Amino acid sequence: DIQMTQSPSTLSASVGDRVTITCRASQSISSWLAWYQQKPGKAPKLLIYKASSLESGVPSRFSGSGSGTEFTLTISSLQPDDFATYYCQQYNSFPCSFGQGTKLEIK
Amino acid sequence: QVQLQESGPGLVKPSQTLSLTCTVSGGSISSGDYYWSWIRQPPGKGLEWIGYIYYSGSTYYNPSLKSRVTISVDTSKNQFSLKLSSVTAADTAVYYCARAYSSGYYLYWGQGTLVTVSS
Repeated sequence: DIQMTQSPSTLSASVGDRVTITCRASQSISSWLAWYQQKPGKAPKLLIYKASSLESGVPSRFSGSGSGTEFTLTISSLQPDDFATYYCQQYNSFPCSFGQGTKLEIK
Repeated sequence: QVQLQESGPGLVKPSQTLSLTCTVSGGSISSGDYYWSWIRQPPGKGLEWIGYIYYSGSTYYNPSLKSRVTISVDTSKNQFSLKLSSVTAADTAVYYCARAYSSGYYLYWGQGTLVTVSS
């Protein structure tokens, strides 16, 4: 099975900051990676698929990059609505697997 | 707009079988190249993929749960279901049903239902 490791686990930032979250796969997953945002009590929301494709309706301040084993999610200018937990997911092979999450907190 | 809704008991006794149903609206479960999936999240923890069923009935389960999981589909009711046997407290979680494109990422999710395993 492919293991996904996110860093950091917690990130403190301020409105307007540029932040980057990293996701590493235990083996190459090409570009078969998605990013989700989850708020308390809610289901995850798809932000990015195929490593860098922005889902329709997702603000352009979110962007994804990477391939192989290392990927990043960048938020260019944090907005109050962005404070949440973020997960990466590989879907290169079954079973698909998620990172452990990165909680983005207000500094 | 596709919508998914989980239903089932919120409390299950240890050693018993957890049973949940996901009702799909806004689209036929038989159409398209989709994987109808179950994913769970223990309180305060991350997401764990349980398995999927294709509309044809073919399934794939997470090897870590495979011996205890059954996912089935009822196309006449536009529903798919999860059964998890021999549950313990470690199976306490919010259970989500979700739809994946053939490539495997999830755009549509149910709201989630908390299942607590306790006597």
